[in-house]
Amino acid sequence: KNEVEQSPQNLTAQEGEFITINCSYSVGISALHWLQQHPGGGIVSLFMLSSGKKKHGRLIATINIQEKHSSLHITASHPRDSAVYICAVPNYGGSQGNLIFGKGTKLSVKP
Amino acid sequence: EPEVTQTPSHQVTQMGQEVILRCVPISNHLYFYWYRQILGQKVEFLVSFYNNEISEKSEIFDDQFSVERPDGSNFTLKIRSTKLEDSAMYFCASSGGEGRTYNEQFFGPGTRLTVL
Repeated sequence: KNEVEQSPQNLTAQEGEFITINCSYSVGISALHWLQQHPGGGIVSLFMLSSGKKKHGRLIATINIQEKHSSLHITASHPRDSAVYICAVPNYGGSQGNLIFGKGTKLSVKP
Repeated sequence: EPEVTQTPSHQVTQMGQEVILRCVPISNHLYFYWYRQILGQKVEFLVSFYNNEISEKSEIFDDQFSVERPDGSNFTLKIRSTKLEDSAMYFCASSGGEGRTYNEQFFGPGTRLTVL
């Protein structure tokens, strides 16, 4: 079974700062999810990526399959980015099946 | 854009009562999942469902839990006799459709279950 570690657990930033959240996992996969959870509890899928890099607006996600590591970057952070960011991977490796989730990184961006 | 929906958004029940949580997955998806998140903890897998049967379930998914796809659109999670420790946010997810990659899961907004 896969294990997922995220760091940091908590992150406070000033508006405009560049943010990096890290995720590592133990079993080789070919697809990784980055998710955003708002204070109300709802989950939104930000990215699913298999290799290289994906960009959506101010969010950039990278993955290194060989090193079993992914990062989520936020450029020019804004208070509305304040949320919990969660990394999730297939529990048994590969690219499908049930997901196992990291504990999440709680991001707070101050104006 | 198609999305997964869940009802109700919040359910309050008494211990020992039965609850049914409802989900409408994205219409052409074939794989369905239930996850839950106890307050302050990480999201955990409960069960996956494909081709009208359970494909995998976790240790959490004991005899008190059941899932059903009663028609072509709904996917339900039933808890027969709720316990205090069932209080959590329950998320439904779906993935997979013809002609598409099957591995991206799309999540519903969740149902917050409170057992008193």
